[in-house]
Amino acid sequence: QSALTQPASVSGSPGQSITISCTGTSSDVGGYNYVSWYQQHPGKAPKLIIYDVSQRLSGASNRFSGSKSGNTASLTISGLQAEDEADYYCSSYTSSSTFVLFGGGTKLTVL
Amino acid sequence: QVQLVDSGGGLVKPGGSLRLSCAASGFTFSDYYMTWIRQAPGKGLEWISYISTSGRAIYYADSVRGRFTISRDNAKNSLYLQMNSLRAEDTAVYYCARFRYGGTFYFDFWGQGTLVTVSS
Repeated sequence: QSALTQPASVSGSPGQSITISCTGTSSDVGGYNYVSWYQQHPGKAPKLIIYDVSQRLSGASNRFSGSKSGNTASLTISGLQAEDEADYYCSSYTSSSTFVLFGGGTKLTVL
Repeated sequence: QVQLVDSGGGLVKPGGSLRLSCAASGFTFSDYYMTWIRQAPGKGLEWISYISTSGRAIYYADSVRGRFTISRDNAKNSLYLQMNSLRAEDTAVYYCARFRYGGTFYFDFWGQGTLVTVSS
């Protein structure tokens, strides 16, 4: 099964808001509230930022929020900061034998 | 605090074997599912396998089924990945991660990763 579809890159200026989309199917993103988002800085391990579509890990920044509409989930980062520059990956449970899907990743550039 | 430390990576020839380890601390290891996820150089994330708290439930991605074996030792707070019949396409950084599963679905803490290079 193909990976979830994310834009390869997005950019924004400090203080602005950006949204990263993650498109799947009714067998994964659209069928379950099991979408999570991960932030990865170069050379570092991924770090969970959003789980179950819109839940933030305790202590995580409230500048990050998640949502879902149909087969597309979204991660919104408000008040962009330089340290937000990283790769972002979405993930979802899938009812197919693949079990877990990741998106191809989105590189966020803070201008 | 939760800490996962991956180890065991290295250079191995095609067809060879390697065993990765993940040492857990800062939480009750036996209460959590665990998983392995890999990332080829410059590429995205790929889920590999999960194991239940007791080790009785195990699942693999098609790409590694029959070649890789996940296991855990709850007494040693450790997770393992035995990798056999390695191929060039298995070259990646391998991460262990704590897996929240059952009414929820996500990977909340990750190890720092260990690099496996398969090359002659």
